[in-house]
Amino acid sequence: EVKLQQSGDELVRPGASVKMSCKASGYTFTDYAMHWVKQSPGQGLEWIGTIIPLIDTTSYNQKFKGKATLTADKSSNTAYMELSRLTSEDSAVYYCARGTSGYDGTYYYDYFDYWGQGVMVTVSS
Amino acid sequence: NTVMTQSPTSMFISVGDRVTMNCKASQNVGTNVDWYQQKTGQSPKLLIYGASNRYTGVPDRFTGSGSGTDFTLTISNMQAEDLAVYYCLQYNYNPRTFGGGTKLELK
Repeated sequence: EVKLQQSGDELVRPGASVKMSCKASGYTFTDYAMHWVKQSPGQGLEWIGTIIPLIDTTSYNQKFKGKATLTADKSSNTAYMELSRLTSEDSAVYYCARGTSGYDGTYYYDYFDYWGQGVMVTVSS
Repeated sequence: NTVMTQSPTSMFISVGDRVTMNCKASQNVGTNVDWYQQKTGQSPKLLIYGASNRYTGVPDRFTGSGSGTDFTLTISNMQAEDLAVYYCLQYNYNPRTFGGGTKLELK
């Protein structure tokens, strides 16, 4: 069974950083990309970026460059996201999601097929 | 960035209704659109990929269609368990962008 287990909720001070984890199980970690998605309170979804653990390559939404840093530890099948210089605008739920992509001869497909349970980050003094 | 505009933002529906919601891209994204369902307090779940392909285990009452800039998700026989917010997502351009969501509520 594929599972993405995220770390616990965080209460952090403005200006601080936070690092959250996403531990993957039930599949070969290096065979898939890992994406991160932000959901602000009562709001929709924003794609933050992705990491390909096999080659440690990252791609970011320009909006989150300098804010989010994505890493992966192949030895523990865990992806990480660090958010820096936190403000109230960073208070949100953050999800990791496995990315599956390919080409079936007719079309290219790309989707998030498994999601973590989310980490709620609250930025408050 | 590619803006994905969903309409309507909310719908009041009854069990058994046929529900149609729309997603319009600000530029041509081909068929590179997925649909996700998010129930209250839960993580999003994949319903449709590549605009019209039902993901494994998704009931056949869910149908996706469209290409280019206009996409539709249809629920043919609404069930109470389908109450949720539905999001489209384009992955044709970086950054990937979600629509604002369509919320289904009971009349």
